[in-house]
Amino acid sequence: EAGVAQSPRYKIIEKRQSVAFWCNPISGHATLYWYQQILGQGPKLLIQFQNNGVVDDSQLPKDRFSAERLKGVDSTLKIQPAKLEDSAVYLCASSLRDLGGGAQYFGPGTRLTVT
Amino acid sequence: KQEVTQIPAALSVPEGENLVLNCSFTDSAIYNLQWFRQDPGKGLTSLLLIQSSQREQTSGRLNASLDKSSGRSTLYIAASQPGDSATYLCAVMDSSYKLIFGSGTRLLVRP
Repeated sequence: EAGVAQSPRYKIIEKRQSVAFWCNPISGHATLYWYQQILGQGPKLLIQFQNNGVVDDSQLPKDRFSAERLKGVDSTLKIQPAKLEDSAVYLCASSLRDLGGGAQYFGPGTRLTVT
Repeated sequence: KQEVTQIPAALSVPEGENLVLNCSFTDSAIYNLQWFRQDPGKGLTSLLLIQSSQREQTSGRLNASLDKSSGRSTLYIAASQPGDSATYLCAVMDSSYKLIFGSGTRLLVRP
């Protein structure tokens, strides 16, 4: 079974520029998550989708971050404009269901550097 | 607000040693607890998942325990190998089905 795919793997941009990350979850997984992992910290949930609907985006900085999951499969996370503090690894994960008991499977992440 | 703490932040041991990684959480109302491994530049690999009703899970040389009432979990690694070198993350799924992570323990197993 193919895992969670993410692209690009690395991205370097200047502050105030925009960037987009793409995620393809494991086939059949209804729930998709985007996490931000700052160096030396654990991942922090940004947004959770159930199919193509948003379940939780309480920690998403909505003034600059946006995400969508059209057709309930692939997802895109966008940052516009980027700030220096957005430098982090952005991880996508998926699970078969969102209720307790469902393991989350993570992609390799996109490492973003904002200069 | 759920907070997850991992101790120690870093650990260096000689090959062959048994070791224990610790994880504590502030709110016992959890659905499950998961241990992950993260290699440099890679994503997270799930090692063990313990449901809130369970006390432990085992996979090969790994054993994870859960004491929900005291807010603690341990990951025991037997006969450590250099290939075990990585960062180990503990995460709890809280009452709103959100995964809350600790900051991880960075493990180095010396040959």
